[in-house]
Amino acid sequence: GAVVSQHPSWVICKSGTSVKIECRSLDFQATTMFWYRQFPKQSLMLMATSNEGSKATYEQGVEKDKFLINHASLTLSTLTVTSAHPEDSSFYICSASLGGKDTQYFGPGTRLTVL
Amino acid sequence: AQSVTQPDIHITVSEGASLELRCNYSYGATPYLFWYVQSPGQGLQLLLKYFSGDTLVQGIKGFEAEFKRSQSSFNLRKPSVHWSDAAEYFCAPYSGGGADGLTFGKGTHLIIQP
Repeated sequence: GAVVSQHPSWVICKSGTSVKIECRSLDFQATTMFWYRQFPKQSLMLMATSNEGSKATYEQGVEKDKFLINHASLTLSTLTVTSAHPEDSSFYICSASLGGKDTQYFGPGTRLTVL
Repeated sequence: AQSVTQPDIHITVSEGASLELRCNYSYGATPYLFWYVQSPGQGLQLLLKYFSGDTLVQGIKGFEAEFKRSQSSFNLRKPSVHWSDAAEYFCAPYSGGGADGLTFGKGTHLIIQP
């Protein structure tokens, strides 16, 4: 089956620093990758959609300058949380899709804690 | 506006008992429909999906879901739950053309009593 990995699985950083999270599709080429955010005991909220080689599309209310997304290849997308603050602490989850109505395959998530 | 509702935030079921988790959606046209499960420390796993055709869909781990157009519902069922089914369950309709992310319901937390 389609496998999506994320690295790191958890990260703790100081306020003001930047953190990069990687999302990789291990056994398929993903036309589109998505980034979600999940607060404790809440649902997933879509942050942005990224297509290989083009700029990401951000959902309303998501700061594109704070959450930098790069989709350099069909198997790798990165999310960089810039100048992180405690309110950015959350669970970040990526998914990858072959496109169309195809199922999205989710990574295991990255727990970010900003001190 | 498009929306999805999972009315039950928490459900407690005895092991071996049957289970039904509710999902209602409000979309202009019938969306594709997904159920995902999220276990502690694990990523979301697809249980089943409905695109068209037979309205009763079989999934993994003994789960099934029935699409009812008249009720705009896609309820998830399992005839006999196991302790390992304790998890968070999300219903996710999808109406995009392939470039849109999923809209998730708020989720239902399933607790299994011994």
